[in-house]
Amino acid sequence: NAGVMQNPRHLVRRRGQEARLRCSPMKGHSHVYWYRQLPEEGLKFMVYLQKENIIDESGMPKERFSAEFPKEGPSILRIQQVVRGDSAAYFCASSTSGFNEKLFFGSGTQLSVL
Amino acid sequence: EDQVTQSPEALRLQEGESSSLNCSYTVSGLRGLFWYRQDPGKGPEFLFTLYSAGEEKEKERLKATLTKKESFLHITAPKPEDSATYLCAVQASGGSNYKLTFGKGTLLTVNP
Repeated sequence: NAGVMQNPRHLVRRRGQEARLRCSPMKGHSHVYWYRQLPEEGLKFMVYLQKENIIDESGMPKERFSAEFPKEGPSILRIQQVVRGDSAAYFCASSTSGFNEKLFFGSGTQLSVL
Repeated sequence: EDQVTQSPEALRLQEGESSSLNCSYTVSGLRGLFWYRQDPGKGPEFLFTLYSAGEEKEKERLKATLTKKESFLHITAPKPEDSATYLCAVQASGGSNYKLTFGKGTLLTVNP
């Protein structure tokens, strides 16, 4: 019974490149959340998605960031034209409902921007 | 804006030395308060959800309690394997509030 799977675990990009982070939720979970953890900061909410729908993207920067959760396949967090300030750990979580009764987190993707 | 403050930032205990971690919160209306444990290089692992003042939950050596302004995570006779960062988070009530607001965590180290 696999948990939430994120890949890659580590991603290195140069400034101006694109980063794509993938998240496969737990089996049976149709609710996906992305959180970002900056050094010395707490986890910050970015976006909440259900299959084919963005429900709440209030934590996403207005530019360069986008997220999707297609009918088939993993959820993708896409960062265009990365800058050094994007360096962080990005965590995906999934649940069976939209009200966070119990979130299951993946091990995260550590993004480093050179 | 919802806020969560955890103290202390770091805590060192000897094995068997009981203590408590604090989580103070400000939220317009509380749907739930959550405790997670995070090990280095891993994602947070769910521990407890508390919904109303006076509620308590226990799991092994951990006990979480909730008041209208704060929550405590009590650790009784800790073992080295309890070493981790403990995160507190709140979710506000209201129909469209899906996000959790996390504190920065308390790094607990239990020495043998």
